[in-house]
Amino acid sequence: AQKVTQAQTEISVVEKEDVTLDCVYETRDTTYYLFWYKQPPSGELVFLIRRNSFDEQNEISGRYSWNFQKSTSSFNFTITASQVVDSAVYFCALSVPNDYKLSFGAGTTVTVRA
Amino acid sequence: KAGVTQTPRYLIKTRGQQVTLSCSPISGHRSVSWYQQTPGQGLQFLFEYFSETQRNKGNFPGRFSGRQFSNSRSEMNVSTLELGDSALYLCASKKELNTEAFFGQGTRLTVV
Repeated sequence: AQKVTQAQTEISVVEKEDVTLDCVYETRDTTYYLFWYKQPPSGELVFLIRRNSFDEQNEISGRYSWNFQKSTSSFNFTITASQVVDSAVYFCALSVPNDYKLSFGAGTTVTVRA
Repeated sequence: KAGVTQTPRYLIKTRGQQVTLSCSPISGHRSVSWYQQTPGQGLQFLFEYFSETQRNKGNFPGRFSGRQFSNSRSEMNVSTLELGDSALYLCASKKELNTEAFFGQGTRLTVV
């Protein structure tokens, strides 16, 4: 069974501060897929990024960056220079081949204050 | 390109009734999956359909069922509603099984 843990329940920052969201995952599969989703108050889950287990290269996309470390089973996500519009609940998720359902963490509520 | 469309957005039903929720996936996407979101249990997988076949089912009672049509649109049905079925029901579509899922805005079901 797959498990995703997001230990941070809530994070509150002032605009322009960086925010790092932690995600730890558990799976016995050697091939797996990791995701980050954002859920604004409207309710829709917005896809942000996806990483395959065989690709540990970390990247930056605009104000978003992620740090995938297999050795510690972590997939952390950073928002640089946060903005009020970044306020939302952020979910980390995991899926594996032959199953493909998303196993979500409990989510981290990010509040960015002006 | 239109996103995933779920109807209705809000529903209020009485215990014991049944309800049908609808989901239209992104054009060209063949997979549709359903998730239930509640404050207590978080996001939980209900089932996934691919090319009209149910590929996977979550740990929910038989009162929860679904289907997918030839145009990839999907419906989810809950019979004999219970108070605990009150939740946000999210539908997601994927182009293929191993690609990222795109979600609709959800249907908020309240059972009274």
